[in-house]
Amino acid sequence: DIQMTQSPSTLSASVGDRVTITCRASQSISDWLAWYQQKPGKAPTLLIYKASTLGSGVPSRFSGSGSGTEFTLIISSLQPDDFATYYCQQYNTYPLTFGGGTKVDI
Amino acid sequence: EVQLVESGGGLIKPGRSLRLSCTGSGFNFGDYAMSWFRQAPGKGLEWVGFIRNNAYGGTTEYAASVKGRFTISRDDSKTIAYLQTNSLKTEDTAVYYCSAGTTGWYSDYWGQGTLVTVSS
Repeated sequence: DIQMTQSPSTLSASVGDRVTITCRASQSISDWLAWYQQKPGKAPTLLIYKASTLGSGVPSRFSGSGSGTEFTLIISSLQPDDFATYYCQQYNTYPLTFGGGTKVDI
Repeated sequence: EVQLVESGGGLIKPGRSLRLSCTGSGFNFGDYAMSWFRQAPGKGLEWVGFIRNNAYGGTTEYAASVKGRFTISRDDSKTIAYLQTNSLKTEDTAVYYCSAGTTGWYSDYWGQGTLVTVSS
């Protein structure tokens, strides 16, 4: 199975900050990577797919980049609604696997 | 408005079976692959499996941890996807989410989840 490793696991930030989350794959996954946001008690929502393509209705302050084994999710200017946990997920190979999550809090 | 609504969760004893349902609306259900994920209390997300749409044969893929015990099916006429869970174990305790995506590789839409608690 492909292991996905996110860093950091927790990130403290303030409104207006630029936030960077990293996701590393244990082997190359090309650009078959998605990012999700999850708020407490809620279902995940799709932010980005194919490493850098914004999901429908996702604000432009979110961006994704990377290919191969290293990927980043950037929030250019953190908004109050962005405090949540973020997960990366690879879909290069079954089983689909997730990173352990990055919690963004104040 | 796209909606996915899961039902069928609850408290169940180890070794028993449970069928979860996921009813979709607001999108062309038959065009989408339907997936199931789960999240144990306080833990991260885990893929359970998915079923392709009928244009791709309606075939299924499963995580190793559930293969042979869980079965995903769909009834496009009712816009429902099912997750049949057999031989449940305590480690299957989780919130189970269904989702829809054009390929099944990633999920555009998610349900609100249903809690399955496996305990004696």
